[in-house]
Amino acid sequence: DIQMTQSPSSLSASVGDRVTITCRASQGINNYLAWYQQKPGKVPKLLIYAASTLQSGVPSRFSGSGSGTDFTLTISSLQPEDVAAYYCQKYNSAPWTFGQGTKVEIK
Amino acid sequence: DVQLVESGGGLVQPGGPLRLSCAASGFAFGSYWMSWVRQAPGKGLEWVANMKEDGTEKHFVDSVKGRFTISRDNAKNSLYLQMNSLRDEDTAVYYCARVTYYFDSYSSSGVWGAVDFWGQGTLVTVSS
Repeated sequence: DIQMTQSPSSLSASVGDRVTITCRASQGINNYLAWYQQKPGKVPKLLIYAASTLQSGVPSRFSGSGSGTDFTLTISSLQPEDVAAYYCQKYNSAPWTFGQGTKVEIK
Repeated sequence: DVQLVESGGGLVQPGGPLRLSCAASGFAFGSYWMSWVRQAPGKGLEWVANMKEDGTEKHFVDSVKGRFTISRDNAKNSLYLQMNSLRDEDTAVYYCARVTYYFDSYSSSGVWGAVDFWGQGTLVTVSS
């Protein structure tokens, strides 16, 4: 099975900072990758699918890029409400594995 | 509005069975792939299973193969997860989730992938 590895596992940044989270697949998955945000105590929320397509209603400070094995989620200007765990997920074929998650905090 | 409401969670002894249900509303349930995703306490998300809209195709994570079964009743707008031979490591919140469909310009075809709606989850605790 294809493994999904996210880095870093956690980060602390200041409001207004540019934040980048990476997700690496152990084999190529084309662009079949999604990103989710899960705020503490809440249900996960879809941010991006097809590696770079922003889900309706998601703020434009979120963006995704990549194809093949290497993917990136970028928050262009970190806001206090962005404190959350972020997960990537592949869906090119079963199993639809998630990355282990990245916790984002405000410094 | 899309709603997914899980039920059936609770405390069960190791080795026991449990059946989760998910009642869907606000969308054409019979036209969507559906998934189950779980999250152990304090841990990350784990995809468990999914099922094609007509029930003819299903997939499971290796750790539950042979123990869990996914099914659906499109007439009742309901998704189910039958869990047998439960283990301590199955303790988690189980989410019912709708899979989104979109046109992928990369492959010039329709793609089922990513979860666009989640239920609130139901807690399954496996413990003696």
